Amino acid sequence: AQSVAQPEDQVNVAEGNPLTVKCTYSVSGNPYLFWYVQYPNRGLQFLLKYITGDNLVKGSYGFEAEFNKSQTSFHLKKPSALVSDSALYFCAVDNYGQNFVFGPGTRLSVLP
Amino acid sequence: GAVVSQHPSRVICKSGTSVKIECRSLDFQATTMFWYRQFPKKSLMLMATSNEGSKATYEQGVEKDKFLINHASLTLSTLTVTSAHPEDSSFYICSARNDRESTDTQYFGPGTRLTVL
Repeated sequence: AQSVAQPEDQVNVAEGNPLTVKCTYSVSGNPYLFWYVQYPNRGLQFLLKYITGDNLVKGSYGFEAEFNKSQTSFHLKKPSALVSDSALYFCAVDNYGQNFVFGPGTRLSVLP
Repeated sequence: GAVVSQHPSRVICKSGTSVKIECRSLDFQATTMFWYRQFPKKSLMLMATSNEGSKATYEQGVEKDKFLINHASLTLSTLTVTSAHPEDSSFYICSARNDRESTDTQYFGPGTRLTVL
């Protein structure tokens, strides 16, 4: 079965510093991987996805993620964090084209 | 592009009444839509997969007679919570896949907060 882990419930980073939100996955076959962001009382906004090709994927709002097959990871990164990046971040893997399996979420707090 | 709307954004109802939530894909057609439930500070729990023109596929443990799903057109799916009770209070989020995209990106609505008194 497909599964996604986000090992950190909470990540705190100072504004202007680089940020990383971790995600590891367990799938059979080639994974389709996604990152979404959720602001309070809102739905999820699509950030980026990895389907195939370059391991470094660039997405919305300056975010990027690196697919690492050997480590089965898909960590979300941003070179310089903004206070407005504070939100809940979800990693997801496509479940054999049927639906998504979401990670538990990581709350990112960017401190001014 | 790829905008999904939900209506209403908030609803408060009395116990025993039914509530209908609409999910619309505004600028694309969506044969497949999904309904999720999210508890406070928790991840999304998939309730059901809605396919236009056919019966929804419910996840294990989700009562199909309580959470009625209708996907009558390629841009609209509805979730009706029948005989709602306080334990049904939650944040309900829908998502849709764009039929024109070959990948499985899901586009999410803004969510509906249901409070059952």
